[in-house]
Amino acid sequence: DADVTQTPRNRITKTGKRIMLECSQTKGHDRMYWYRQDPGLGLRLIYYSFDVKDINKGEISDGYSVSRQAQAKFSLSLESAIPNQTALYFCATSDTGQGAGDEQFFGPGTRLTVL
Amino acid sequence: QKEVEQNSGPLSVPEGAIASLNCTYSDRGSQSFFWYRQYSGKSPELIMSIYSNGDKEDGRFTAQLNKASQYVSLLIRDSQPSDSATYLCAVMRSQGNLIFGKGTKLSVKP
Repeated sequence: DADVTQTPRNRITKTGKRIMLECSQTKGHDRMYWYRQDPGLGLRLIYYSFDVKDINKGEISDGYSVSRQAQAKFSLSLESAIPNQTALYFCATSDTGQGAGDEQFFGPGTRLTVL
Repeated sequence: QKEVEQNSGPLSVPEGAIASLNCTYSDRGSQSFFWYRQYSGKSPELIMSIYSNGDKEDGRFTAQLNKASQYVSLLIRDSQPSDSATYLCAVMRSQGNLIFGKGTKLSVKP
């Protein structure tokens, strides 16, 4: 079974709709991250969480919100989707962030299309 | 200056050759560096991490780090067509999150 799972894997929605992307992990990692990837722009960090009570904005958090429901679950919401949020979204996890434990491991991604 | 810079490529090498991928970064305080491989439409896969100056070898892959020059590279020996992918360089910020380069697309020709 995959260590980091994302649901849904593909989603097509309309402008103005509320969308939630979910991420679950069985790696036992404390840290979780949401990224989006656009052609030519690379991976950009949306939000990250170092533990259940910790939420931090990344470089492109406007238009997004997150919820860390448990150590293993981290959800990303688009309150009112717009077409320029069409992208490939990745969840990632990492261990303590200290030295050799800070490698990030990625989920399979969610392809979101906003019409 | 961008935080993490990579040549976007495409870098084309013949099968069996050495592929050399380069990355520069701007934050002198960075201590952790990573190389990810990403096939089209798939998620990034960690292939190497490096924390100290010098070389680190793992199979056909060698990561090289020079903190004084703010430079990290990845060498792939005996390149195979299956190595054709985009390679992402990532640098850990002091805040504890990664900043990624835009990636170098590698094409290994049979």
